[in-house]
Amino acid sequence: NAGVTQTPKFRILKIGQSMTLQCTQDMNHNYMYWYRQDPGMGLKLIYYSVGAGITDKGEVPNGYNVSRSTTEDFPLRLELAAPSQTSVYFCASSYIASYNEQFFGPGTRLTVL
Amino acid sequence: GNSVTQMEGPVTLSEEAFLTINCTYTATGYPSLFWYVQYPGEGLQLLLKATKADDKGSNKGFEATYRKETTSFHLEKGSVQVSDSAVYFCALIDFPKLVFGKGMKLTVNP
Repeated sequence: NAGVTQTPKFRILKIGQSMTLQCTQDMNHNYMYWYRQDPGMGLKLIYYSVGAGITDKGEVPNGYNVSRSTTEDFPLRLELAAPSQTSVYFCASSYIASYNEQFFGPGTRLTVL
Repeated sequence: GNSVTQMEGPVTLSEEAFLTINCTYTATGYPSLFWYVQYPGEGLQLLLKATKADDKGSNKGFEATYRKETTSFHLEKGSVQVSDSAVYFCALIDFPKLVFGKGMKLTVNP
């Protein structure tokens, strides 16, 4: 099992550009999540999905979009990148039960200049 | 809302020293509690968890006990190693998301 994989590992964007962060999991988890991690802070939830075709906003969704067409994939789209979106982005997945752990990918470090 | 407060550091210890990282939480009910660890350049990994009051989670020599009386979940290790150098996050489930503390960077010197 590869677990949760993310691409790319690093990316530099110019203000106003767009990009998609890719996330794939091979554990057949129903739940998937996108978090961002800012320096000296914990992680904040951007969007999550409870299954294919179902997504919902988290704490900080502005400036982002998601889709979930398959169980395995959960891409995060940044439209019109802004410096405030400079962060490290983590994708995670879990089984349905609320006490189960979330499994995290290695992260994507994004810089917007 | 639910929240987690933890020691922020950074903390530097010598190898074989005793480690305690304090974590307290505010929550409705008794959510599952977690300690995650982030090694340099990597994603977060679950270190240990506890799903109900008085549960003790343990892994790799680390322990934490879910204390509802003091709303705490302190992380302890009796003898740290250089390989324990990492950032440690306390978290709770506020379904569907994890609510994290700010993290504490630990450096262990030989």
